[in-house]
This record gives sequence, C-alpha cells and structure tokens, in this order.
Amino acid sequence: RKEVEQDPGPFNVPEGATVAFNCTYSNSASQSFFWYRQDCRKEPKLLMSVYSSGNEDGRFTAQLNRASQYISLLIRDSKLSDSATYLCVVNPYNQGGKLIFGQGTELSVKP
Amino acid sequence: GAVVSQHPSRVICKSGTSVKIECRSLDFQATTMFWYRQFPKQSLMLMATSNEGSKATYEQGVEKDKFLINHASLTLSTLTVTSAHPEDSSFYICSAQEGHNEQFFGPGTRLTVL
Repeated sequence: RKEVEQDPGPFNVPEGATVAFNCTYSNSASQSFFWYRQDCRKEPKLLMSVYSSGNEDGRFTAQLNRASQYISLLIRDSKLSDSATYLCVVNPYNQGGKLIFGQGTELSVKP
Repeated sequence: GAVVSQHPSRVICKSGTSVKIECRSLDFQATTMFWYRQFPKQSLMLMATSNEGSKATYEQGVEKDKFLINHASLTLSTLTVTSAHPEDSSFYICSAQEGHNEQFFGPGTRLTVL
C-alpha cells in the first residue's frame, strides 16, 4: 500500500465548478499535512497546510480527519488558472523535514 | 517566499557519463537539503536528505555510490549522477530548509540520458 494515496483523476470541470480532492495516508503517526500544486514540468509549490480544525484560504478549504487518516481539498468557483496537478503531502512523525508525496490529481478547468 | 535555484535546468548526456546538478539557497541558510526524483506521471520520490557538513541519508533503494551528494556549505548542495544510463532520465528536484521552517523547492533539472 502506498503511504499517501490520492484520487487518480484527471478531473475535467467547467469554470465556476466546485471540485473536491481526497487523500488517505497510511502512517497514523504522521504529524503535518499539506496540499501542493504542481504545474506541468515545474516544481511543486505549497498551496496550504492542513490543520485538524480545518482551514480555509479564499476559495480553497482543506480538511483533516486523523481518525480516518483522510485529507481533503475543496476548490470553489474554479478558475482556468486552477488547472494543475494537486499533490497531497505528509510529513511523517520524527523524520525531520522528510515529505511523502502522493501521486497527484490532475485538474483541468475548461471555459 | 525564499528562493532556491538549480543548475542546469536541462541536461542531455550520453550513457556512461556523469552529471552534476547544483542546488542553491539564495537568500537563506539551508541547514537541510532534500533531493527528489520524479518520473512522468508519478509522484516526487525522496532520494536523500543532506545536512550541511555531514553525510547524506539515502532512502531505501537509492544507491549512494551512484547518486553522490555533497552539502559542503549552507547555501549549496550538489547531486552527481555517476555513469548515467537511460533509466536515470528523470526530473530531479531539490528543496532547502532552514531549521524547521518551510521547505522551498528548486525549479528542477530535467535529465535525459541517451
């Protein structure tokens, strides 16, 4: 089983749609969680950290359920510029800054 | 955010040659640098973690004699792919971290081995 698993995608949605990505992780002792965005042939960029209480940044909302080892990302009012691959990322407990990346879910927002 | 550079951005080489990739933190001191590899349509896979002045810690399955990592200063780490073969063709990305702060990623190096 992969340490971090995501919806395979791709997700093709019209502008203005709401889209949700899911992610599960296998190590229950994981301590930090993130969503990164990666554009084609570029490096990943931090989108947002994910907190147990849930957190929101503009059109983006992240949720964490430690009991289910489940992380989600909701994007409201999708823009063309949201088209990218979204990576679920986990920092395992007591392994310094090591990050475990999911395979990513590709999002394509169409006009 | 902080800036991390990588050089070269793209390299094409013949099988059997060695390739050196540089990763620099431009405006902060990177106590830790990480090297990742990403094959097409796959996730980033951590290859090794290096702390300034000490030997790198390699992930399981990554050959330390093939992927030589040097982190001689707080702003520079290098990855050398020795005797590269076509299966080493990949996107190599470094990241840098100061203390326990956020990791910042370099723009990546696309290696093609003919």
